[in-house]
Amino acid sequence: EVQLVESGGGLVKPGGSLRLSCEVSGFTFTRYSMNWVRQAPGKGLEWVSCITSASSFIYYADSVQGRFTISRDNGKNALYLQMNSLRAEDTAVYYCASPAEGYWGQGTLVTVSS
Amino acid sequence: QAVLTQPSSLSASPGASASLTCTLRSGLDVGTYTIYWYQQKPGSPPQYLLRYKSDSDKQQGSGVPSRFSGSKDGSANAGILLISGLQSEDEADYYCTIWHSSAWVFGGGTKLTVL
Repeated sequence: EVQLVESGGGLVKPGGSLRLSCEVSGFTFTRYSMNWVRQAPGKGLEWVSCITSASSFIYYADSVQGRFTISRDNGKNALYLQMNSLRAEDTAVYYCASPAEGYWGQGTLVTVSS
Repeated sequence: QAVLTQPSSLSASPGASASLTCTLRSGLDVGTYTIYWYQQKPGSPPQYLLRYKSDSDKQQGSGVPSRFSGSKDGSANAGILLISGLQSEDEADYYCTIWHSSAWVFGGGTKLTVL
């Protein structure tokens, strides 16, 4: 059974930092690009970042470029998102996902508020 | 202009069919893209339905009923998700997505109401 389990969300003040993690099991993690996708309350899906299987290529949405850093540890089947300089508009449920394969986690809520 | 445009809402009756569109921005050719479709119900993550590029290059998600199908309308430059035999459980938000310019791009979503 494919499982993607996010953790690390929570309440943080504007300007603060958080690190999200995603532990993957049930598929060959090392073969696939992985992504973070977020969804603000009551809003649609917004892609955040992508990292290829060997971390050779990394892409970011303009809205997070320079503030967020995606990484992965293929030895641990884990995906990460370091989020710095957080803003109120970053408030969302963050999903670990491989949209092309149809794999999504349950999401972790990040709330940026003073 | 957004890369992908979906109607914000659609209503249909139980047992009827619903055609959800995902229109690509002018200048982009729907024929060159694989369109992925997702269903999302409140409080749950998106669930993969299917992907469609052509009749010879398509995939149904595991366990997804065959009454969900994908196609394209080249004249409208749009991907289509057809849901036949609508059931109350099909009431949800539906998103299309493509990989474009090194990014996953999502449509704004269509809220399907079955009444």
